[in-house]
Amino acid sequence: NAGVMQNPRHLVRRRGQEARLRCSPMKGHSHVYWYRQLPEEGLKFMVYLQKENIIDESGMPKERFSAEFPKEGPSILRIQQVVRGDSAAYFCASSPATGQDNYGYTFGSGTRLTVV
Amino acid sequence: AQKVTQAQTEISVVEKEDVTLDCVYETRDTTYYLFWYKQPPSGELVFLIRRNSFDEQNEISGRYSWNFQKSTSSFNFTITASQVVDSAVYFCALSEAPGGSYIPTFGRGTSLIVHP
Repeated sequence: NAGVMQNPRHLVRRRGQEARLRCSPMKGHSHVYWYRQLPEEGLKFMVYLQKENIIDESGMPKERFSAEFPKEGPSILRIQQVVRGDSAAYFCASSPATGQDNYGYTFGSGTRLTVV
Repeated sequence: AQKVTQAQTEISVVEKEDVTLDCVYETRDTTYYLFWYKQPPSGELVFLIRRNSFDEQNEISGRYSWNFQKSTSSFNFTITASQVVDSAVYFCALSEAPGGSYIPTFGRGTSLIVHP
């Protein structure tokens, strides 16, 4: 049973380009969470999605950032017109469901985005 | 609003010493979950433990132990006889259940350095 798969592991983009980060949740998991970790900081929540639905995007910057979790395929975090301040590690986590039986959130290995 | 405080930014110990990482949380909910994650130098996030708010029993797993005290809103993590491989950043996290979202909030992390 593969864990949460994120790709690419490392992504380098020039300022103004687009970055697309992918996250395939664990088998059987239908909830996906994206977090951003800036250097020397903790993880900041960005967005929570279920299949075909954005449940909570309160942590997403208002512009240039979007996320989706289609019926088929991985969840995508998209950053348009990247700037140097977007350089960070982006982590995806998945869980089977919310509720009393929610177990630990399983994280992927992250995508390290560097904007040059 | 939920909040997690890890007051210790960095802890440095010598191998075989015991070390305790502090975690203090704030929540208005009676139902919540607490977590610890380990982030080794390789960067991935490793789930260590989940504890729900109704279970105040302390937990021991090998050299790791956790002390959950609702009276002081703390969920401290102790490593006994530390080893160099324990060197990592450790994150404490809290998820509440307002509306069932259970989105985890993370502390800023404590960097543990174990010297040989």
